[in-house]
Amino acid sequence: GEDVEQSLFLSVREGDSSVINCTYTDSSSTYLYWYKQEPGAGLQLLTYIFSNMDMKQDQRLTVLLNKKDKHLSLRIADTQTGDSAIYFCAEAYAGNNRKLIWGLGTSLAVNP
Amino acid sequence: DTGVSQNPRHKITKRGQNVTFRCDPISEHNRLYWYRQTLGQGPEFLTYFQNEAQLEKSRLLSDRFSAERPKGSFSTLEIQRTEQGDSAMYLCASSLAGVNTEAFFGQGTRLTVV
Repeated sequence: GEDVEQSLFLSVREGDSSVINCTYTDSSSTYLYWYKQEPGAGLQLLTYIFSNMDMKQDQRLTVLLNKKDKHLSLRIADTQTGDSAIYFCAEAYAGNNRKLIWGLGTSLAVNP
Repeated sequence: DTGVSQNPRHKITKRGQNVTFRCDPISEHNRLYWYRQTLGQGPEFLTYFQNEAQLEKSRLLSDRFSAERPKGSFSTLEIQRTEQGDSAMYLCASSLAGVNTEAFFGQGTRLTVV
């Protein structure tokens, strides 16, 4: 079945690292994505990882993929107040249409 | 090109009325997607087009919903006989065709059915 799960809330102090976790069920997913949604704004693609990779780093963002456990994480180093948002994990649905299956989102609160 | 544009940004309608939303994708993008997002949820896939062809419809898309992309450019999503449960943010995204191409999202149309 199609299911992506995330913890709903995370609170960190400014300057600390944030780790947002996600599990998915479709082992045939080819790409996994992290999107950011700020209040009143659309969805912004942060990063993605191909399913044959274990890790991808992009500036302050590190994505780790454990394909065996179907576990994906997003680490934000030196978290800033501007990082406060909802972070969605999404998987590309196997097939021809690139339909994305989304988690419920993790609300990240960064405290000064 | 300023990205994916959706109109209107907000719509309040009475139950039973029909509403229509418009999405203008990024001009060279041949794929266009509609999603629905309710409060506290992630987006749910509704339908997608490649050029003017509607290739998939979710079972979430009841017969009160219809989407079109007549010339392969802008798309409209119409909801007939709206119900309170239709209240949500309707998101449009577009992308190029390909194995992994980024989907760019519009800011959405927030529908409130009263």
